[in-house]
Amino acid sequence: DAKTTQPNSMESNEEEPVHLPCNHSTISGTDYIHWYRQLPSQGPEYVIHGLTSNVNNRMASLAIAEDRKSSTLILHRATLRDAAVYYCILIRYNQGGKLIFGQGTELSVKP
Amino acid sequence: DTEVTQTPKHLVMGMTNKKSLKCEQHMGHRAMYWYKQKAKKPPELMFVYSYEKLSINESVPSRFSPECPNSSLLNLHLHALQPEDSALYLCASSPGLAGRVYNEQFFGPGTRLTVL
Repeated sequence: DAKTTQPNSMESNEEEPVHLPCNHSTISGTDYIHWYRQLPSQGPEYVIHGLTSNVNNRMASLAIAEDRKSSTLILHRATLRDAAVYYCILIRYNQGGKLIFGQGTELSVKP
Repeated sequence: DTEVTQTPKHLVMGMTNKKSLKCEQHMGHRAMYWYKQKAKKPPELMFVYSYEKLSINESVPSRFSPECPNSSLLNLHLHALQPEDSALYLCASSPGLAGRVYNEQFFGPGTRLTVL
């Protein structure tokens, strides 16, 4: 399974944008990039996913490098409720069941 | 209904006890999962069921026994556990498995298990 590397922790101020980086230099052509987050005392929740093109949804944006060796999750205006551990996960298209979580980035948001 | 429910929320058991964790979803999903999460660590996949059949077992010890009686229900039977099995047990479901591009997993809140 291809591996992802994320910073252990990041800090943000409320109402400011947050850019969460993820390196995945061994990504293969059939690997989708998924982001999940886990709020305190809750199960993980899906945030966004993409393959090659940048993606937007109501929660966040995903910017994927042209060579696909890295990606960035963008929260446009951080709120206190966005404080969570964010996981960047690669999923091969024919192995949809195997979510292999890395260590993730713990995001804290200051008021 | 876009929820995965898990019962009980908390469970304390002795090493000789037999107990079960229950997970339920009514989203029509055909894949269901068990994960184990130790404190301050990421979740680890244990089992995957697809169309009520076990499709992935991540070399989990036999003291954990999964069961999928129907497409909405997933159980995890526990027997002769060790204190190091104390963890948060998470259940998830998704529309399908291999071959599907979009495979968002929906997680329940978990059962916090303590083995004495």
